[in-house]
Amino acid sequence: GAVVSQHPSRVICKSGTSVKIECRSLDFQATTMFWYRQFPKKSLMLMATSNEGSKATYEQGVEKDKFLINHASLTLSTLTVTSAHPEDSSFYICSARDMGKALFNSPLHFGNGTRLTVT
Amino acid sequence: QKEVEQNSGPLSVPEGAIASLNCTYSDRGSQSFFWYRQYSGKSPELIMSIYSNGDKEDGRFTAQLNKASQYVSLLIRDSQPSDSATYLCAVRGGTASKLTFGTGTRLQVTL
Repeated sequence: GAVVSQHPSRVICKSGTSVKIECRSLDFQATTMFWYRQFPKKSLMLMATSNEGSKATYEQGVEKDKFLINHASLTLSTLTVTSAHPEDSSFYICSARDMGKALFNSPLHFGNGTRLTVT
Repeated sequence: QKEVEQNSGPLSVPEGAIASLNCTYSDRGSQSFFWYRQYSGKSPELIMSIYSNGDKEDGRFTAQLNKASQYVSLLIRDSQPSDSATYLCAVRGGTASKLTFGTGTRLQVTL
């Protein structure tokens, strides 16, 4: 159980275009999902917290107009990279916690990630 | 001071040996602790979780927690080359849903 599906797994786009990444919890509901970015050989960097039915919370230094997040339902969050540039090329990973479980003993479950390359 | 600290490694151990991975955290109110494994180019996968002081064993893995010392560790017995990966320590404090991750320790199991 506790599967998070993320699509696409890999995307190549041209500079200036927008890319949408979907994150779905398949067998549980999540009021909160988290979006991370990871550069090669670097640690996970939390970009934003996606909240179902309300605005996302962005970490310091992350442009909310650049990285649009929508959490339309208890099982779906999307991240749209707008006007992508080569420096946005990275590995984007979403994660979610099963809201049906007690907070203290429920881990984050990760999607398989999306490798974005902007040419 | 970083909230969750890990030695970046690489930690090199021979096949069959015990690998010991360590993590310290700064928030005394932290309640939940998790170890994730991340292979190169892949997303993290959960290995162990621990909430109470002491040891918790699952197969070849043992997580150890000492809240007084703000220290959590992961032991991997009978290390295999397939264990070569980066191991991430994650901590949840208070009522926050998010996890704070360490930078990870890269483990290399040599033949």
